[in-house]
Amino acid sequence: EIVLTQSPGTLSLSPGERATLSCRASQSVSSYLAWYQQKPGQAPRLLIYGASSWATGIPDRFSGTGSGTDFALTISRLEPEDSAVYYCQQYVKSPGTFGQGTKVEIK
Amino acid sequence: EVQLVESGGGLVKPGGSLRLSCVASGFTFSSYHMDWVRQAPGKGLEWVSSITRSSTYIYYAASVKGRFTISRDNAKNSVYLQMNSLRAEDTAVYYCARARPYCDGDCSPFYFDYWGQGTLVTVSS
Repeated sequence: EIVLTQSPGTLSLSPGERATLSCRASQSVSSYLAWYQQKPGQAPRLLIYGASSWATGIPDRFSGTGSGTDFALTISRLEPEDSAVYYCQQYVKSPGTFGQGTKVEIK
Repeated sequence: EVQLVESGGGLVKPGGSLRLSCVASGFTFSSYHMDWVRQAPGKGLEWVSSITRSSTYIYYAASVKGRFTISRDNAKNSVYLQMNSLRAEDTAVYYCARARPYCDGDCSPFYFDYWGQGTLVTVSS
């Protein structure tokens, strides 16, 4: 199965700063990569699909880039409500797999 | 508004069974594939099972194949997960999710554009 490795494990930044989260695949997933946000006690929420397309209602300070094996989720100006764990997921080859997550902490 | 509401979780002994249900509203249920995804306490997300729109194709993770059965009733806007021979490692929050394919047909795997709030399954003696 395709292994997704996310880095860093934890990111601690101040409001207004820029956050860049990485997701690396063990083999090419083309652009079939999604990003999710999960806050404590809540279900995941889809942010990005197709590596760079916004899901419904997602603010444009979230953006996704990449293709093949290297992907990034960028939060351009962090807000306190962005504190969460972020997961990437590939959906090109069964089984669909998730990365282990990156925790974003707001100072 | 899309809503997915799971039920049926609880405490069960190892080797026991449980049936999870998920009722959908706010969209044409029969037009969408549906999945179950789980999350063990303090851990990441793990895909469990998929069922296509007309139940034509069904998929399972290796960890649950032969023990879990997914089904759906489009007339009731519902998807189910029958879990048998439960093990301690099946302890998790189980999420129902609306699934989107990367192609126009029934190709899997899927990504998930809406999720329920989850139901907790605890397997312990």
